[in-house]
Amino acid sequence: GAGVSQSPSNKVTEKGKDVELRCDPISGHTALYWYRQRLGQGLEFLIYFQGNSAPDKSGLPSDRFSAERTGESVSTLTIQRTQQEDSAVYLCASSLDTGFLSYEQYFGPGTRLTVT
Amino acid sequence: LAKTTQPISMDSYEGQEVNITCSHNNIATNDYITWYQQFPSQGPRFIIQGYKTKVTNEVASLFIPADRKSSTLSLPRVSLSDTAVYYCLVGYSTLTFGKGTMLLVSP
Repeated sequence: GAGVSQSPSNKVTEKGKDVELRCDPISGHTALYWYRQRLGQGLEFLIYFQGNSAPDKSGLPSDRFSAERTGESVSTLTIQRTQQEDSAVYLCASSLDTGFLSYEQYFGPGTRLTVT
Repeated sequence: LAKTTQPISMDSYEGQEVNITCSHNNIATNDYITWYQQFPSQGPRFIIQGYKTKVTNEVASLFIPADRKSSTLSLPRVSLSDTAVYYCLVGYSTLTFGKGTMLLVSP
């Protein structure tokens, strides 16, 4: 079956512009996660959804970052007024449930964001 | 949040067994230990998960001592395609993968 998909695969934007990153999880997966990975670094957790709710938003770096999920399916990560330090690969993952470490997370290919 | 410590890099040769150890001294009672593998330009891929003792699947084995303060991922007879970054994860709250261990397998 289809895996996690993300779009766009690459995004180049100018500093100060807003960007929207999309994630389509595996059908039936109730949990959805967003991570950020800077070049040469590990993955940084941003936010997760259980259904359409986000119980923990503490990983979001600043109030410029927001995310939503609708229909227990598609999720959008929005970055407003982008800064150069926002340049990274943004990865989305989904799992059957939110026992992070009890359920395997399936990752998408990521969106490479470059802020010029 | 249980912090994990693992080697930054390891080198091996094809056909050898590779053991990557992760330290997690502050692991909580409810925490599982999970390992992921990441190839360049790809998202991480689940390898194995365990709570205590030993877990084995078709890809790897995971050894967890009784005190659960460390764990060892064992990859039998590695091949060139096992060259990747391996992440050890522990904890339920804000989940940080860390920098992982870069395993380089040479011919």
